[in-house]
Amino acid sequence: AQKVTQAQTEISVVEKEDVTLDCVYETRDTTYYLFWYKQPPSGELVFLIRRNSFDEQNEISGRYSWNFQKSTSSFNFTITASQVVDSAVYFCALSGGGLRGGAGSYQLTFGKGTKLSVIP
Amino acid sequence: KAGVTQTPRYLIKTRGQQVTLSCSPISGHRSVSWYQQTPGQGLQFLFEYFSETQRNKGNFPGRFSGRQFSNSRSEMNVSTLELGDSALYLCASSLQNQGRETQYFGPGTRLLVL
Repeated sequence: AQKVTQAQTEISVVEKEDVTLDCVYETRDTTYYLFWYKQPPSGELVFLIRRNSFDEQNEISGRYSWNFQKSTSSFNFTITASQVVDSAVYFCALSGGGLRGGAGSYQLTFGKGTKLSVIP
Repeated sequence: KAGVTQTPRYLIKTRGQQVTLSCSPISGHRSVSWYQQTPGQGLQFLFEYFSETQRNKGNFPGRFSGRQFSNSRSEMNVSTLELGDSALYLCASSLQNQGRETQYFGPGTRLLVL
């Protein structure tokens, strides 16, 4: 069974502060994929970043960066210089549990989400 | 490229009725997955269709069903609605839904069961 834990339920920061969202996962798969999605009040899940389990290189993309550590099963996401438009619920997700034998069909297992409020 | 579209966006039904939700994937995407989002259970996988075949199914009762058409558009049906079926239903599409692919989500259908 796969599991994703986002311990932070809600976070409030003042605009321009940096904020890190934590994500811890559990899986028995040796190959898996991790994602971060953003859900604004409109409801649509917006894809942010993806990381493969065999690539622990951490990257920065604009104001977003992520820290993937297999040793601690963590995939944390950081927003630098937060803005009011960043206010949303952020979900960490794990892709796996697909049909064995490489037949595809990977379902996403989501964490409960972290509600981020950026205060002007 | 147009994104994933879902219709209707909002729906109100009463207990015992049935409902059909529709999802049109991104052009060229052949895999469509459905997820249910509720405040209590969060986001949960319902099922996935690829080339008109259900390839994977989550832990939901048989009242939840779906299908996919030859143009990759998908519908999901919920029969004998219960109050607990009130949720945001999200559809996601990907090329073939291999693990390395990103699933792109639509805006969802908000279903309220009274």
